[in-house]
Amino acid sequence: AQKITQTQPGMFVQEKEAVTLDCTYDTSDQSYGLFWYKQPSSGEMIFLIYQGSYDEQNATEGRYSLNFQKARKSANLVISASQLGDSAMYFCAMRSYNAGNNRKLIWGLGTSLAVNP
Amino acid sequence: DTGVSQDPRHKITKRGQNVTFRCDPISEHNRLYWYRQTLGQGPEFLTYFQNEAQLEKSRLLSDRFSAERPKGSFSTLEIQRTEQGDSAMYLCASSRSGSGDSYEQYFGPGTRLTVT
Repeated sequence: AQKITQTQPGMFVQEKEAVTLDCTYDTSDQSYGLFWYKQPSSGEMIFLIYQGSYDEQNATEGRYSLNFQKARKSANLVISASQLGDSAMYFCAMRSYNAGNNRKLIWGLGTSLAVNP
Repeated sequence: DTGVSQDPRHKITKRGQNVTFRCDPISEHNRLYWYRQTLGQGPEFLTYFQNEAQLEKSRLLSDRFSAERPKGSFSTLEIQRTEQGDSAMYLCASSRSGSGDSYEQYFGPGTRLTVT
């Protein structure tokens, strides 16, 4: 069975500092994708960054980067130069690309990030 | 590109009533997903459409739940005889499909259902 584990229910970071949000996953599939989403208090899920299991380079999108360690089955999100607007829930999710899979996302429980001024 | 829209944003209903939610995906997206999210949890998959075909339903989707996407564009999610346990945020997402298959899902703002 596929599973996403986010072990940090809450994190605090000082404005302008970097923060790492942990995500580990469990799957027996060879081909899969890992996603990070941000959910502000308004409720909408905002896509941040994607990493494919066969991608050799760690994904980066602006201030977001994904520290992908395939052997350890971890896909940690690094946010550099934190801003007050980064305060939100952050979810790690996974999707299998094996034949027959419907491409649904499997989600972790999320990490609540608070950026302090 | 106007994004994924959902209507209504909030719904309060009494136990036993039926409710229907609507989702309008991004126009060029042929895949549409419904998820349910309760407080303090990540979203849980409910069902998935590719065009008008409903390809999978989660076991979470009891007989009281039904979803349609009649013309492969907007979708509706109906809950019959609502129960207090149905109180949650109902999220709709859409995505493209293609050979790369890494396309992210874009989410709507959600419909928050409260059953009293």
